[in-house]
Amino acid sequence: DTEVTQTPKHLVMGMTNKKSLKCEQHMGHRAMYWYKQKAKKPPELMFVYSYEKLSINESVPSRFSPECPNSSLLNLHLHALQPEDSALYLCASSHPGQTLLGYTFGSGTRLTVV
Amino acid sequence: LAKTTQPISMDSYEGQEVNITCSHNNIATNDYITWYQQFPSQGPRFIIQGYKTKVTNEVASLFIPADRKSSTLSLPRVSLSDTAVYYCLVHGGSQGNLIFGKGTKLSVKP
Repeated sequence: DTEVTQTPKHLVMGMTNKKSLKCEQHMGHRAMYWYKQKAKKPPELMFVYSYEKLSINESVPSRFSPECPNSSLLNLHLHALQPEDSALYLCASSHPGQTLLGYTFGSGTRLTVV
Repeated sequence: LAKTTQPISMDSYEGQEVNITCSHNNIATNDYITWYQQFPSQGPRFIIQGYKTKVTNEVASLFIPADRKSSTLSLPRVSLSDTAVYYCLVHGGSQGNLIFGKGTKLSVKP
């Protein structure tokens, strides 16, 4: 299995809702990432997990809460989002510290906050 | 992190060779150059990677001059399906994370 699977593909949520984005990989990668991509912009790194521990939080607001329950799963819990948080949220995985071997990205979750 | 500069957009026609150049004047000795391709509403996909000289795979070629301050992604005989955004990234092999620059939007016309 050489894929990163993200669910749901599309999500519409109100500003008072709580929702979660899910990401799963079975490539044995022990680093997982969340990126946020606004329209016509490059992906921006949000969080990095290495060996299931949060290693980088790029000053992301607390309304985004990541969780890595095991080596194959990565969640992003959303609460009290703002319309400007609408974006494509991308999950990726890799071997820790091995950018040379490339990251495998999922197809993303298209989030719309209304 | 070495900053990268690419053209914002490029146009081409089917069957032509496309060359996208990326400048990275502050590249460090242990940095590698990697190109990713992204289609709309999909995640980026690894295309090719190199350290110096020339690298070729089934999809593209990557040319890196001796001073390594720039690199050129070459796509032979593009088709409509090559329409995408192409990102040039410079990164350390065993440290750091992938940080994306602005990318080049390639539009291939019939």
